[in-house]
Amino acid sequence: EAGVTQFPSHSVIEKGQTVTLRCDPISGHDNLYWYRRVMGKEIKFLLHFVKESKQDESGMPNNRFLAERTGGTYSTLKVQPAELEDSGVYFCASSQVWDGPLHFGNGTRLTVT
Amino acid sequence: QKEVEQNSGPLSVPEGAIASLNCTYSDRGSQSFFWYRQYSGKSPELIMSIYSNGDKEDGRFTAQLNKASQYVSLLIRDSQPSDSATYLCAVSNTGNQFYFGTGTSLTVIP
Repeated sequence: EAGVTQFPSHSVIEKGQTVTLRCDPISGHDNLYWYRRVMGKEIKFLLHFVKESKQDESGMPNNRFLAERTGGTYSTLKVQPAELEDSGVYFCASSQVWDGPLHFGNGTRLTVT
Repeated sequence: QKEVEQNSGPLSVPEGAIASLNCTYSDRGSQSFFWYRQYSGKSPELIMSIYSNGDKEDGRFTAQLNKASQYVSLLIRDSQPSDSATYLCAVSNTGNQFYFGTGTSLTVIP
């Protein structure tokens, strides 16, 4: 079984630019989550999809962040325009059942300069 | 107050010893509890999940949950150098959001 895959693994962009992160969950996992870890802080929730629907996006920092999951398969997280404080590691995770264990991808390390 | 608190460590134990990792949480409505292991630069990897009070054992790992005291712990018996990693405690109350601690860094000394 293929795990959760994320692309790219690293991204370095300048302030004001746009970046799009992609996540492919484990096949058959309806629940897809985006999390972020800023250096020195805990992993924090951004949002949760159930299939193609946003179940909870209360963790999204502001309207510069847009997540989509068209067709209920892979998901993208777009940051536009990027700010310095957006730097961190963005993790995607999926689970088969609600409240089930999360399976994480390797993360995308985003650096905004 | 943070949702989930962990001692950041570092915690050092000699090879073969028992490593004890602790976690407290603030939401009494929490239902699901998880321990993840994260090697440097890698993704968090699920080690244990526990949902009811008491102990749950899996190989060298034992998770302990006490909902009345709002703590969950992880014991690693016969610690090995390969157990050296950061251990993350995660708690969920609804399934929408999992709250993570900042992690405890464990070093097992050969």
